[in-house]
Amino acid sequence: LAKTTQPISMDSYEGQEVNITCSHNNIATNDYITWYQQFPSQGPRFIIQGYKTKVTNEVASLFIPADRKSSTLSLPRVSLSDTAVYYCLVGAPYNNNDMRFGAGTRLTVKP
Amino acid sequence: DSGVTQTPKHLITATGQRVTLRCSPRSGDLSVYWYQQSLDQGLQFLIQYYNGEERAKGNILERFSAQQFPDLHSELNLSSLELGDSALYFCASSARGQGGIETQYFGPGTRLLVL
Repeated sequence: LAKTTQPISMDSYEGQEVNITCSHNNIATNDYITWYQQFPSQGPRFIIQGYKTKVTNEVASLFIPADRKSSTLSLPRVSLSDTAVYYCLVGAPYNNNDMRFGAGTRLTVKP
Repeated sequence: DSGVTQTPKHLITATGQRVTLRCSPRSGDLSVYWYQQSLDQGLQFLIQYYNGEERAKGNILERFSAQQFPDLHSELNLSSLELGDSALYFCASSARGQGGIETQYFGPGTRLLVL
């Protein structure tokens, strides 16, 4: 079971780039890394997923170093509406039984 | 809108009672997950069903049970309710994307208040 560790909270200001790092030291060869975003009183929403190097979509980038023991979610030019909890999960194809949401990182974006 | 529906949205009941929460997954999704989230707490995984069969079990109390029906909708039954069961209950369904990794799509949740 690949356990993940994230900072409990982070603060930022509007317009800044935010990087949230997740540690997963015992990630397995087949594991992928997935990030979710959760607003208060709403269910989590998929943001991005990757296996190695860099993945980018319309809302975020995911950086994964060669050893894959950590990953960094990068949110460019955050706005107040990016205030949310961000979760990092690791899991393997066709065997997601061990994917669990941890405490996540509570990001607060200030004006 | 994730395509996952949950009913009811809100539920108020008394201690000792029993309630049933319902979830309809996205069209075509075979997996259903149930989560509990207490105030300012993280998501606690309860149980997962895949095509009608229990697939994984998390921190689900013996007072709680779930099932997934042939039409793939799922119900979470909570009995002998206690004050501490007050929480948001989320259902998620999942689809396999690139590489076979499942992405979970969450419903809007059912807010349960036990008085």
